[in-house]
Amino acid sequence: GQQLNQSPQSMFIQEGEDVSMNCTSSSIFNTWLWYKQDPGEGPVLLIALYKAGELTSNGRLTAQFGITRKDSFLNISASIPSDVGIYFCAGQPPFFGNEKLTFGTGTRLTIIP
Amino acid sequence: SAVISQKPSRDICQRGTSLTIQCQVDSQVTMMFWYRQQPGQSLTLIATANQGSEATYESGFVIDKFPISRPNLTFSTLTVSNMSPEDSSIYLCSVGGGATYNEQFFGPGTRLTVL
Repeated sequence: GQQLNQSPQSMFIQEGEDVSMNCTSSSIFNTWLWYKQDPGEGPVLLIALYKAGELTSNGRLTAQFGITRKDSFLNISASIPSDVGIYFCAGQPPFFGNEKLTFGTGTRLTIIP
Repeated sequence: SAVISQKPSRDICQRGTSLTIQCQVDSQVTMMFWYRQQPGQSLTLIATANQGSEATYESGFVIDKFPISRPNLTFSTLTVSNMSPEDSSIYLCSVGGGATYNEQFFGPGTRLTVL
C-alpha cells in the first residue's frame, strides 16, 4: 500500500525558532491534511490542502500542496511552547473515494528551554 | 466541526477478554472511521463504519477480531475481541466533515492496555 514518509522524525528547537517539516509519497494524493497530536489526545486538524500548488496559512502555520501531488510541507514560524507535540501529515489517494486517509510517520517537536 | 466523545477513555484488560469502545458524535455524520495507534506509532485505519450495513475493513483487519456496529448516524462501537498484549494501543474514531467532507475530525481516543 501507499506510505507517507515524514521528515524529520524529531526536532529539538529553541522557542522562537522557525520549524519546517515535510511529507513525501511514492504516489499522488488528492488531498493533504496536517494534524497535531498532544499526549493523551486525538489528532487535531491544522490545515487542509486540496489543490496542487496550493499554499495555505493558519496563524503561524503555513502548508503547501506540492505541485507533483506527491509531497507537502508544513512550516511553523516563531515557535512557542504550546507547539510541542507530534505532527502528522495525511493524504487521500484518488482511487478509493475521497474519504480514506493514509497517515505519515510523524514528526515529534520538542522545544528546548 | 463535530464534537466527538469516546468511552472508555482508557482501560486495562486481561488477555482473552473483549472490550467494546463507544464513539458518540453530537451531529449526524455520514462517514465514521476507526483507527489504531500502536505505542509511538502513526495511525492505521481499521475500518470504515457504514450506517445500516457491514463495516469495510482494511487489509490486515477482520470482522471477527474487530466487530463494528453503526446503528445510526451519530454512534458507532468497535469491539476488540479475544485480546492479547499486542492489542495494546490507542483506538480512535473519526468522522468525515469540512467544506468538502474530505477532512476528518478525531475523538480523544481510548487507551487500551492488555495484560
